[in-house]
Amino acid sequence: AQKVTQAQTEISVVEKEDVTLDCVYETRDTTYYLFWYKQPPSGELVFLIRRNSFDEQNEISGRYSWNFQKSTSSFNFTITASQVVDSAVYFCALRGGGFGNEKLTFGTGTRLTIIP
Amino acid sequence: EAEVAQSPRYKITEKSQAVAFWCDPISGHATLYWYRQILGQGPELLVQFQDESVVDDSQLPKDRFSAERLKGVDSTLKIQPAELGDSAMYLCASSLALAGVWSESYEQYFGPGTRLTVT
Repeated sequence: AQKVTQAQTEISVVEKEDVTLDCVYETRDTTYYLFWYKQPPSGELVFLIRRNSFDEQNEISGRYSWNFQKSTSSFNFTITASQVVDSAVYFCALRGGGFGNEKLTFGTGTRLTIIP
Repeated sequence: EAEVAQSPRYKITEKSQAVAFWCDPISGHATLYWYRQILGQGPELLVQFQDESVVDDSQLPKDRFSAERLKGVDSTLKIQPAELGDSAMYLCASSLALAGVWSESYEQYFGPGTRLTVT
């Protein structure tokens, strides 16, 4: 069975501070994909990143960066110089590889509040 | 930019009533998903369609929930009768994923959701 754990339920930081959202996953698949989604108050899930299990390179996109460590089954997300617009609920998700494995398993989410 | 459309955005119904949600996926997307998101939790898959066929409905409470995608385009999710515990956000997503064709880049694109409150 697949499982995603986001231990941080809520985080509040002052604007311009850096913040890291933790994600730990469990899977028996050798090929799998990890995702981060943002859910603003409007409700839709916005895709941020996909990472496959064979690519452990860290990725940076503007103020966002992701650290994938297979050894600790973690896929953490860092926002640098946070802004009020970053306030949202962030979900980490896991999907198996191959046919018939498109189902996303989500964590319970981390509510991030950026204080102006 | 193409989007997944859902309606209504909000629905309040009394328990034991019937309720239906509609989803129109991005044009050309063969796969359609319905997720349920209970407050404070992550979304959970209810049903997955490939064109008009159900691929996975293992988590769909079939005694009261039904879903259809008759022409392989838009889809309807129905609850009858609604119960208090059905209060949640119902999210629809679509992707280009095709049976027999695997690509890691077949992302799921989500609609704005329907927030259901059962009183």
